[in-house]
Amino acid sequence: DAGITQSPRHKVTETGTPVTLRCHQTENHRYMYWYRQDPGHGLRLIHYSYGVKDTDKGEVSDGYSVSRSKTEDFLLTLESATSSQTSVYFCAIGEGASEKLFFGSGTQLSVL
Amino acid sequence: QQQVKQSPQSLIVQKGGISIINCAYENTAFDYFPWYQQFPGKGPALLIAIRPDVSEKKEGRFTISFNKSAKQFSLHIMDSQPGDSATYFCASSSGGSNYKLTFGKGTLLTVNP
Repeated sequence: DAGITQSPRHKVTETGTPVTLRCHQTENHRYMYWYRQDPGHGLRLIHYSYGVKDTDKGEVSDGYSVSRSKTEDFLLTLESATSSQTSVYFCAIGEGASEKLFFGSGTQLSVL
Repeated sequence: QQQVKQSPQSLIVQKGGISIINCAYENTAFDYFPWYQQFPGKGPALLIAIRPDVSEKKEGRFTISFNKSAKQFSLHIMDSQPGDSATYFCASSSGGSNYKLTFGKGTLLTVNP
């Protein structure tokens, strides 16, 4: 999947616990994105990054934070997981100029 | 606020038939319109894309038709095959330094043999 690795692939956690999802790329692309996918909602942007330490909110950013300290890594943190955050999370990368996004294989997160 | 409306939610087509999925957008600043294809358990992958300076783009059996005045674009899959069974997402974006895509809600296409 275009040099994108998401970890973990599956995670079950309890309400109120912190969770961190990792996206690692080997393509040296400038842009990195976190989307969540839910039935009936399609893909919704959570946060994105346009460079190291440069991040911005997407349309569903409440309850999530991100960090990007290196070009290759983009972390998504749920400070206190809730059941509404049960979802499939996709990381994507892009170079911007081409506007083509490459998606990872996703992380299935279940919050009980 | 849904800026890209996609229909239908699901579509069943017989092998060899034509599959048509429609999308409508609201933001007139959008200038890039891709379609992504997603198979179960996989991430979406770019299928075909169009810019508003042309009204149609064709790649093999896949064609995008674009109507700027109506703010609509559609995906046509000719000679649909069972291997085309997947979820299809339209998307839109505008240019600028903080590039990001807004996706439709997706269409589950089933092609019966």
